[in-house]
Amino acid sequence: EDKVVQSPLSLVVHEGDTVTLNCSYEVTNFRSLLWYKQEKKAPTFLFMLTSSGIEKKSGRLSSILDKKELSSILNITATQTGDSAIYLCAVAQVEAGNMLTFGGGTRLMVKP
Amino acid sequence: NAGVMQNPRHLVRRRGQEARLRCSPMKGHSHVYWYRQLPEEGLKFMVYLQKENIIDESGMPKERFSAEFPKEGPSILRIQQVVRGDSAAYFCASSTVGVGGYTFGSGTRLTVV
Repeated sequence: EDKVVQSPLSLVVHEGDTVTLNCSYEVTNFRSLLWYKQEKKAPTFLFMLTSSGIEKKSGRLSSILDKKELSSILNITATQTGDSAIYLCAVAQVEAGNMLTFGGGTRLMVKP
Repeated sequence: NAGVMQNPRHLVRRRGQEARLRCSPMKGHSHVYWYRQLPEEGLKFMVYLQKENIIDESGMPKERFSAEFPKEGPSILRIQQVVRGDSAAYFCASSTVGVGGYTFGSGTRLTVV
């Protein structure tokens, strides 16, 4: 059965800290890995990764995929209270339409 | 561009009633997906539709659940004879062909009492 596992389940840090969120997957016919940020409403798209070893960066957030280890990390530097959210990792598979298999998420709380 | 619009935002139903959840995709998007999020869990795929076609319903419960995306109008997720276990957030997403990053709606939170 295809599965996506995220760790840690939850994390509490203080503003200014750097955090690393992990995502590992076991799926057939991997196509791409995506990260989303979910606050109270809709998950919002952060990154899509298809190639191993190429870092994608957006401001204080960055992510990289390791196809050999079947995993990805999401880094957030100089965290702010506005980074508090659930971070979701999802995997898309070849020949699975555009269906995504999601992990359970990491709940991040950033304290002032 | 209004994004993916879902309504209602909150829906309360008594056990045995029907729930109808609506989703209007982003302009120009012809692919619609429904996901369910149970409390403290990740999003679980339910169904993938294009206009007038169900492409993949492998995540839909076999009974009581149905989905459609008519030629005109929004996509509808219909749950008949709701039970307490149906209480969840139901998210709709849309995309264009070949794009991996969906745009999600804000969800409908269904509470069955």
